[in-house]
Amino acid sequence: DTEVTQTPKHLVMGMTNKKSLKCEQHMGHRAMYWYKQKAKKPPELMFVYSYEKLSINESVPSRFSPECPNSSLLNLHLHALQPEDSALYLCASSPLVGRAPFLSQHGLKVCLFFGPGTRLTVL
Amino acid sequence: KQEVTQIPAALSVPEGENLVLNCSFTDSAIYNLQWFRQDPGKGLTSLLLIQSSQREQTSGRLNASLDKSSGRSTLYIAASQPGDSATYLCAVLNGGSQGNLIFGKGTKLSVKP
Repeated sequence: DTEVTQTPKHLVMGMTNKKSLKCEQHMGHRAMYWYKQKAKKPPELMFVYSYEKLSINESVPSRFSPECPNSSLLNLHLHALQPEDSALYLCASSPLVGRAPFLSQHGLKVCLFFGPGTRLTVL
Repeated sequence: KQEVTQIPAALSVPEGENLVLNCSFTDSAIYNLQWFRQDPGKGLTSLLLIQSSQREQTSGRLNASLDKSSGRSTLYIAASQPGDSATYLCAVLNGGSQGNLIFGKGTKLSVKP
């Protein structure tokens, strides 16, 4: 299995709703990511999980709450979103994450594999 | 702060033509560079990854080169086909980062039959 899956594919929610996005991979990757992509813009990093621990939070508002229950799953819990949060939410995974000297010593490639995304619309 | 620029922003070519997409980055201390393809409303498909110690990578009709010292990469597509129409994104992984890819804004390619 060499893919990252995301559910749902599309989600429409009101500003008072609570919903969750789900991401799953079975490639044994120990790093997982959430990216947000607005129309005609490049993806922007939101969160990074390394060995199931949150390692990067790019100053994301608290209405977005990530969760990594195990090494294969990554969730993004949504609450009280705004219309400007409408975007394509992309999940990605990679074999290893860490500082470059460690990676280069082990000769490992850090290649991100992306899921198909969840198209979120906030009304 | 790393900045990634892609030129041109859009490109339209007739089928069969060879073409080159350009990517430049401001900080040469990268770990690797990755080229992605994105179809409208879809996720990203990884095309090629070049480690900082490598000069080029090839996959089928695609060839990516990397000149780290000058902060440049090119994606060469041979014998373009209508199915190649998509947005192509270049992204770099900084040497000191924890997996934070920095993306360019992409080149939107249209191959006309």
